[in-house]
Amino acid sequence: QQQVKQSPQSLIVQKGGISIINCAYENTAFDYFPWYQQFPGKGPALLIAIRPDVSEKKEGRFTISFNKSAKQFSLHIMDSQPGDSATYFCAASTGAGGTSYGKLTFGQGTILTVHP
Amino acid sequence: NAGVTQTPKFRVLKTGQSMTLLCAQDMNHEYMYWYRQDPGMGLRLIHYSVGEGTTAKGEVPDGYNVSRLKKQNFLLGLESAAPSQTSVYFCASSLPSGRLYNEQFFGPGTRLTVL
Repeated sequence: QQQVKQSPQSLIVQKGGISIINCAYENTAFDYFPWYQQFPGKGPALLIAIRPDVSEKKEGRFTISFNKSAKQFSLHIMDSQPGDSATYFCAASTGAGGTSYGKLTFGQGTILTVHP
Repeated sequence: NAGVTQTPKFRVLKTGQSMTLLCAQDMNHEYMYWYRQDPGMGLRLIHYSVGEGTTAKGEVPDGYNVSRLKKQNFLLGLESAAPSQTSVYFCASSLPSGRLYNEQFFGPGTRLTVL
């Protein structure tokens, strides 16, 4: 049962362009939505995260947009660079409190390639 | 700080063989997790631990066992490996309980092939 659906599976963007990756979730108890970035041969690393009390969070060239009513959130990479080429995972969690223990449910991943 | 380390980095097993993957973290994290990563399926939680001496099942626990005898170590065992367990395995750890939203820190992964 895939509770977080991510699209597209792969994405090719030209340098300087905008990369957009979308995720949709089913569980309305989710209240923490991080994005992880993974380079080849490495483990994932936290890129940016959002809580559902805000509709947008921006950190440098990376922005998360969140639509609670639609149960969707997306990652926008502005001015995409070849160094952004990596696999991106969205995830969702009910937080670390209670019995959730910070467990993450991941999307399927998106392989981003930025051409110079 | 080394962060989260995993050994071995690569391993090839024959069907029916057993092995143990070791995860170690030096950040004094309470929570530790084992994931497997397969193409098109993202990362799926196998088992996790919320403290020394405790373990719990995740989304895909069948065929795996875990132990956390020391706070800094989390072991993942395969008693009788099957080709379906061919995957890349990641260990992660997160800050002590009490924080609402814990960032998980991942190790570099172990690539396992079962023939």
